[in-house]
Amino acid sequence: EAQVTQNPRYLITVTGKKLTVTCSQNMNHEYMSWYRQDPGLGLRQIYYSMNVEVTDKGDVPEGYKVSRKEKRNFPLILESPSPNQTSLYFCAAPRDRGPGGVFLKEYFGPGTRLTVT
Amino acid sequence: AQTVTQSQPEMSVQEAETVTLSCTYDTSESNYYLFWYKQPPSRQMILVIRQEAYKQQNATENRFSVNFQKAAKSFSLKISDSQLGDTAMYFCAFMKPSAGNQFYFGTGTSLTVIP
Repeated sequence: EAQVTQNPRYLITVTGKKLTVTCSQNMNHEYMSWYRQDPGLGLRQIYYSMNVEVTDKGDVPEGYKVSRKEKRNFPLILESPSPNQTSLYFCAAPRDRGPGGVFLKEYFGPGTRLTVT
Repeated sequence: AQTVTQSQPEMSVQEAETVTLSCTYDTSESNYYLFWYKQPPSRQMILVIRQEAYKQQNATENRFSVNFQKAAKSFSLKISDSQLGDTAMYFCAFMKPSAGNQFYFGTGTSLTVIP
């Protein structure tokens, strides 16, 4: 079964304490991305990766880092979390290729609820 | 950057009735894809329906259908025979293949189905 998994699902931490949210997919896709969801703002892309060792900034990359050392994993790193990073985070990988090899669906992980106090 | 606008933050509908959620987008691309995602209280993001811009025919999936007006850059979602399980946040999304599969989401519409 195709899956995108994230850990942890819930995390409460304090300002400045480094943390990592892991993301793993078993679909062997090159493309992966991270989003944050905030009330009234929808989902905004933080970072995406087109392949191993290839990452790029999305719309809201400030305060975040990512790495892509292997195809299946794409961790999100907060070096010094701040309260404005309290949010719901989603990792995603595409599925279902259409004409021309375009991916037709963004498949989301279950989400990670992060609270920074 | 692409923009996707959902102008209805909240909506409600009586069970078994029909409701339409609005979405507009802004792009200069000719080749793109539009989506509606559903997010129930479980927070899982679920694809409801997809529309390819090059197709003139409106997409349908059971009780869900879209009204795609390419010239007006409008992409509304119609839910027929609303059910209690349709209560969720609904997000409109835009994707252009030229940007390597990057998705752009609207701010969402919270739909409540009233028994």
